[in-house]
Amino acid sequence: GESVGLHLPTLSVQEGDNSIINCAYSNSASDYFIWYKQESGKGPQFIIDIRSNMDKRQGQRVTVLLNKTVKHLSLQIAATQPGDSAVYFCAETDNFNKFYFGSGTKLNVKP
Amino acid sequence: NAGVMQNPRHLVRRRGQEARLRCSPMKGHSHVYWYRQLPEEGLKFMVYLQKENIIDESGMPKERFSAEFPKEGPSILRIQQVVRGDSAAYFCASSPERGPEAFFGQGTRLTVV
Repeated sequence: GESVGLHLPTLSVQEGDNSIINCAYSNSASDYFIWYKQESGKGPQFIIDIRSNMDKRQGQRVTVLLNKTVKHLSLQIAATQPGDSAVYFCAETDNFNKFYFGSGTKLNVKP
Repeated sequence: NAGVMQNPRHLVRRRGQEARLRCSPMKGHSHVYWYRQLPEEGLKFMVYLQKENIIDESGMPKERFSAEFPKEGPSILRIQQVVRGDSAAYFCASSPERGPEAFFGQGTRLTVV
């Protein structure tokens, strides 16, 4: 299947700092990219998505950037809080039949 | 509106037994996805179903695994003759339509002993 990978397996940030989580993808045909947050023992939780015809989308405290030239996706979390500690996955799809997930980045927020 | 409900949360089976995992999608959702997750890994797509139809099962092993989503009742992921390598967390997600946002359940953690 298509490859969706992450650059950093673990990211530690200080509470209040901004966090940037990166993701690389390989399928040029992917039309949607999604970020999920997974807390320990729970299912993934949708955070934000971006369509391939956009390069930036903002949500509440989060921003997703898409660079199709280098097939790179990033999630920026502003003013990171302890509750943001989790594993973050990027995912891609081209037709919504299936979603390809990356291997995840663990975000550790230090108080 | 209750979220996606999966049961059981934990399931222990001996090698050779059958495992049945249930997923009740959110009310009004007719699209169901099943994923498998090994520890410290991402989710791997298994199957995508709509009511009474399998749309994409390209992620399902050819043998021992089957899935259904009947007109009434939950979606079922069935694993026959389980082996140790089937031990994993199995997640179900549902959505109201084809789109990027899917809602995940808490998962079923299958342990084969």
